[in-house]
Amino acid sequence: GAVVSQHPSWVICKSGTSVKIECRSLDFQATTMFWYRQFPKQSLMLMATSNEGSKATYEQGVEKDKFLINHASLTLSTLTVTSAHPEDSSFYICSASQGTPWEKLFFGSGTQLSVL
Amino acid sequence: DAKTTQPTSMDCAEGRAANLPCNHSTISGNEYVYWYRQIHSQGPQYIIHGLKNNETNEMASLIITEDRKSSTLILPHATLRDTAVYYCIVFPNTGKLIFGQGTTLQVKP
Repeated sequence: GAVVSQHPSWVICKSGTSVKIECRSLDFQATTMFWYRQFPKQSLMLMATSNEGSKATYEQGVEKDKFLINHASLTLSTLTVTSAHPEDSSFYICSASQGTPWEKLFFGSGTQLSVL
Repeated sequence: DAKTTQPTSMDCAEGRAANLPCNHSTISGNEYVYWYRQIHSQGPQYIIHGLKNNETNEMASLIITEDRKSSTLILPHATLRDTAVYYCIVFPNTGKLIFGQGTTLQVKP
């Protein structure tokens, strides 16, 4: 099946610093990528939808200036958590759509962010 | 977007079939039913999807009722590695996959 690579797998950073997470579709072109956040013992929460070459669409309540999303190519989307604080500590997961929206999504392995 | 309802948790004996139900009574005619699972601290894994007809692949079977208001995911011979949270999701016209709380399946020896 299609593979979505997400890096890094985990990152620890100091409060106030920025962290960049990469999401790559390795063997297909992803016109749309999605970013999710998951807190312990909770379900995945959709943060934003990223379309190649255009601005990301953020879900209600997600700060677009804090979570910068760039989808510069059909195989790469990045999420930058700016000025991270301890409450941003979470499991971040990306997914990529192969083909139309009707096709299945493939997910990265996730990034565990810990902000000290 | 159509909402799904799943039991919070289920147990299953190793080697037995695991039947995971899902209600989606507000599903629209062109919306698909997708199933994903998430093993602890990993990204969700695609299992199967369907529209109207029952579907089967190497991982599981999906049974969708004739009125499409509910479905059942069947893992024919559950193993300990099938212990995970299983999500039933209706894939809406918006193309955004919205996760509910899912069912925590515990496969026991």
